[in-house]
Amino acid sequence: DGGITQSPKYLFRKEGQNVTLSCEQNLNHDAMYWYRQDPGQGLRLIYYSQIVNDFQKGDIAEGYSVSREKKESFPLTVTSAQKNPTAFYLCASSIPGQNTEAFFGQGTRLTVV
Amino acid sequence: AQSVTQPDIHITVSEGASLELRCNYSYGATPYLFWYVQSPGQGLQLLLKYFSGDTLVQGIKGFEAEFKRSQSSFNLRKPSVHWSDAAEYFCAVGGGATNKLIFGTGTLLAVQP
Repeated sequence: DGGITQSPKYLFRKEGQNVTLSCEQNLNHDAMYWYRQDPGQGLRLIYYSQIVNDFQKGDIAEGYSVSREKKESFPLTVTSAQKNPTAFYLCASSIPGQNTEAFFGQGTRLTVV
Repeated sequence: AQSVTQPDIHITVSEGASLELRCNYSYGATPYLFWYVQSPGQGLQLLLKYFSGDTLVQGIKGFEAEFKRSQSSFNLRKPSVHWSDAAEYFCAVGGGATNKLIFGTGTLLAVQP
């Protein structure tokens, strides 16, 4: 079945450590996105990529980094510079351009301990 | 500025009652509008979408939404709510080449027996 796989589902990190969240899709979509979800704030865009080897900052990119070396993969690294990293992270993909919707993974809950 | 407003943070309805969730948007160009549903700890599932044409759109699980350009609204409705509809609902607006989505803060729906 086609879809988006995020791993792990739960992740714990010590303060000061970097951690990488995985996102893989087999929908053959060119565009991929990372969103952060906090209670009462909806989803906010961290980074997005329209094509391999290219990506752009979203609204809250500080403290995060991404890469897009393969079409099907868009990993997100939460660095130690991110001051409040505890959140639910959602990856999505879509066909670039208009008249298309985004498909979402099941999310990764990151907790800093 | 582009934005989505969901004025109701939390709504409780009785099973079998009708439902309307409100969504207002601010968007400079022709909006593409979406409603997504999220169960606790899960990703987002698309309920319905509006790109153009008929302003009343039908979605999955018996939901519908009406686009009203004059009111900048895209309210979600269901004539008879089931207990399984309890979840959080997000309205989103997107468009343009990047297909980035702007989300509202969500409405949490509780269903009383």
